[in-house]
Amino acid sequence: GQSLEQPSEVTAVEGAIVQINCTYQTSGFYGLSWYQQHDGGAPTFLSYNALDGLEETGRFSSFLSRSDSYGYLLLQELQMKDSASYFCAVRDDSGNTPLVFGKGTRLSVIA
Amino acid sequence: ETGVTQSPTHLIKTRGQQVTLRCSSQSGHNTVSWYQQALGQGPQFIFQYYREEENGRGNFPPRFSGLQFPNYSSELNVNALELDDSALYLCASSLEPYGYTFGSGTRLTVV
Repeated sequence: GQSLEQPSEVTAVEGAIVQINCTYQTSGFYGLSWYQQHDGGAPTFLSYNALDGLEETGRFSSFLSRSDSYGYLLLQELQMKDSASYFCAVRDDSGNTPLVFGKGTRLSVIA
Repeated sequence: ETGVTQSPTHLIKTRGQQVTLRCSSQSGHNTVSWYQQALGQGPQFIFQYYREEENGRGNFPPRFSGLQFPNYSSELNVNALELDDSALYLCASSLEPYGYTFGSGTRLTVV
């Protein structure tokens, strides 16, 4: 089976940088994904790492270290609208195996 | 792209009743997954369909069942509803191995 650990809550100041960590245990590994979910909304795909290293998409970056079974999501130049829950998710095999989600990190951006 | 649409958006049922939730996949996506999300938790995998066949199932009892149709739309059926079935039910469609597109979900309340 798979399990993922991420902090339950993080608070950061508008304009700052925040890092949300995720550690995982899987029998196999086929990539680490990150999703954002605002209250009452659908999870929205943010990024995906299959190989070690940093992937950058605008203000969001995601990092993966497969040897450490660890990844993080980095949010820069925080805006109030970034207040949401962030989920890491893994798939343990290729193709059509399902995504398994962590419990989520609730990010609160304060002025 | 029309995205993933789910119906209804909200539903109230009585314990013991049956419910059917519907999902229209994003155009071209041949895989659909259903997730249950309790308040404050990450989405929990229920099952997945690929080209009308179930090809993965999470830790949910048989009273949770589903269908995928030739146009790749899908249904989730839950029989003998229990209070603990109250949750947000999310449908996600995918074509790529890692990018899920989620619908906005159906909020089911069992009383």
